[in-house]
Amino acid sequence: SYELTQSLSVSVDLGQTARITCGGNNIGSKNVHWYQQKPGQAPVLVIYNDNNRPSGIPERFSGSNSGNTATLTISRAQAGDEADYYCQMWDTNTAAFGGGTKLTVL
Amino acid sequence: QVTLKESGPALVKPTQTLTLTCTFSGLSLSTSGTRVSWIRQPPGKALEWLARIDWDDDKFYSTSLKTRLTISKDTSKNQVVLTMTNMDPVDTATYYCARMGGNYPRYYFDSWGQGTLVTVSS
Repeated sequence: SYELTQSLSVSVDLGQTARITCGGNNIGSKNVHWYQQKPGQAPVLVIYNDNNRPSGIPERFSGSNSGNTATLTISRAQAGDEADYYCQMWDTNTAAFGGGTKLTVL
Repeated sequence: QVTLKESGPALVKPTQTLTLTCTFSGLSLSTSGTRVSWIRQPPGKALEWLARIDWDDDKFYSTSLKTRLTISKDTSKNQVVLTMTNMDPVDTATYYCARMGGNYPRYYFDSWGQGTLVTVSS
């Protein structure tokens, strides 16, 4: 099965830009989706198909995907962005999730 | 507005069979293109996809768990049911159902239930 690799944690200063990466073999040829999960809550889709935002997701959230790395970028980070973030893609009739990255806003 | 809600036992004993029900509104599994998945998350750990069922009754399972899983739908009740046999303490997790969006091979999960915590313990 396809493996997606995420850093365990990322820290960002309030108001700065956070980048959360998701690594995989030639992941740039796949479509990657991102979820935000706050403690005790269900995940929420924040980016789909590499760089599309569902309605209601702030423009501060963006995505890119090339080579062996997909990236979720959060601009002007806010305290409310503190959460776990998961990347996901679909591979041969199964879904794969990354191990998750905990974002801390300092 | 799409809503999904999981229900089932909070506690099961090892070796028992778990049956979970996802009841939804705002979508119909009789509508072409509708797909629903089950996903779980052990405490403090990552998400793990389990199974998917499509409007045309196509079914797909996690490679590592497929011998233990069965997914089914009751279109008239707007429900999807997941059974998992031979439960073990490592299966302790919050179980979510989610609607799938997108088209192959770009599926994603755009609406989630609140999740239900299942603990496996004697």
